[in-house]
Amino acid sequence: DAGVTQSPTHLIKTRGQQVTLRCSPKSGHDTVSWYQQALGQGPQFIFQYYEEEERQRGNFPDRFSGHQFPNYSSELNVNALLLGDSALYLCASSLVLGQDGYGYTFGSGTRLTVV
Amino acid sequence: QQQVKQSPQSLIVQKGGISIINCAYENTAFDYFPWYQQFPGKGPALLIAIRPDVSEKKEGRFTISFNKSAKQFSLHIMDSQPGDSATYFCAASIGTNAGKSTFGDGTTLTVKP
Repeated sequence: DAGVTQSPTHLIKTRGQQVTLRCSPKSGHDTVSWYQQALGQGPQFIFQYYEEEERQRGNFPDRFSGHQFPNYSSELNVNALLLGDSALYLCASSLVLGQDGYGYTFGSGTRLTVV
Repeated sequence: QQQVKQSPQSLIVQKGGISIINCAYENTAFDYFPWYQQFPGKGPALLIAIRPDVSEKKEGRFTISFNKSAKQFSLHIMDSQPGDSATYFCAASIGTNAGKSTFGDGTTLTVKP
């Protein structure tokens, strides 16, 4: 049973460029959330997608946008990259009406480095 | 604004000892408190979670203690093993276990053999 799959695993981009990260949720999950994890810090919530719509959003600028497809997979897009966008980007899937004890299943993340 | 404060930042425990990690939150609307374990190169994995209507929850060697009046909760790892060496995150969310979670900054646990 495949868990959450993220691609690519590592990425190096130049300041000002745009990047797209991809996520396939765990089988049976219908909700995808994206988190940014800076080195030595806890994950910070970017946004969540359910039924192909953004349902919740954290304190991130509009440069961060996303999309969810009919098969529940998702993309995270970041425009006009800044050096401070360098981080591990985590995708987490879940059932929006899931029972306690299940919560999120996280992928292993995409390590983005902006130079 | 840091809404979930976690301590200590790092912890070294001997094999067989008890590891204790503490978290404090500010938002009284939080009603779901999970703990995650993260190994290098991996995403966080859910360990155990609690809702504020109970004061303690135990699963194997892992126990969450919850103090609603103090707005604090803690993770206890009994009989700590070298394989428990990882970074642990507390988190808090509102209304659902699948919603926006606010994480602490993590505790790096090292269990010495």
